[in-house]
Amino acid sequence: DTEVTQTPKHLVMGMTNKKSLKCEQHMGHRAMYWYKQKAKKPPELMFVYSYEKLSINESVPSRFSPECPNSSLLNLHLHALQPEDSALYLCASSQEAQVLYEQYFGPGTRLTVT
Amino acid sequence: AQSVTQLGSHVSVSEGALVLLRCNYSSSVPPYLFWYVQYPNQGLQLLLKYTSAATLVKGINGFEAEFKKSETSFHLTKPSAHMSDAAEYFCAVSGRASGSRLTFGEGTQLTVNP
Repeated sequence: DTEVTQTPKHLVMGMTNKKSLKCEQHMGHRAMYWYKQKAKKPPELMFVYSYEKLSINESVPSRFSPECPNSSLLNLHLHALQPEDSALYLCASSQEAQVLYEQYFGPGTRLTVT
Repeated sequence: AQSVTQLGSHVSVSEGALVLLRCNYSSSVPPYLFWYVQYPNQGLQLLLKYTSAATLVKGINGFEAEFKKSETSFHLTKPSAHMSDAAEYFCAVSGRASGSRLTFGEGTQLTVNP
C-alpha cells in the first residue's frame, strides 16, 4: 500500500476562520511533508517532519501551524489566512528524510480563502 | 545549490508518437533525480528515480529516462504516446547538500492529440 490520504478534498474558509488539514499514511514512513502548490506551478516545500519532530520550516508564516501527533498522522492548522493562501496543499511521506528516498504524495486539499 | 530546468513548458504530440520531455540539472554533488506526473486535480505520482545505480531507468506506464552526466541531463521518454499520458510532468533533483528537499522544475504540460 503506497497511499497517502488527505482530508478534506476541498475547503473554503473565511479569513477569520480556523480550520485544519489532515494527512495520513500507513506505510511506516518516518518523514512527512507539507507542500503548497499554486496553479501551473511546482510544489513549494513548507514543512518537514522527521520521526515526528519538525526538522524543516521554510520560513512559513505563523498562520500555518503544523502538527505531527504520531508517525502516521500530519495536520496543518490554519488561522487568519489571506486570499493569496488559496492553493492546493499537498502532503507527502518518505521512508526517511534522506535524499535517496522517494516521496509519495497525497491527492491534496484544494483550499479557497474568501 | 542545485536546480532543474525543464525545456519546454508545453509539449504536444500525436497519439502513438514518441514522447520526449527534457530535463537538465545543476548540482555540485552527485544528484538524485526524479520524474513525477500530475493529472488534473490530483497529487504527484512518481514515475521513476535515478539514484546512481543504472543510468537508464525504467519507470511506470512505459516511461524511461537516461542519466547523462556529460550533458547534465535526465530526459524522460516513452516510445508511443497514449491519450492517458496527457498531464503535467515535473523533474526534480535532490542531493546531500539539500537534506531531504526536492527541487522541482517548472513543469511540462504534455498534450496528446488523437
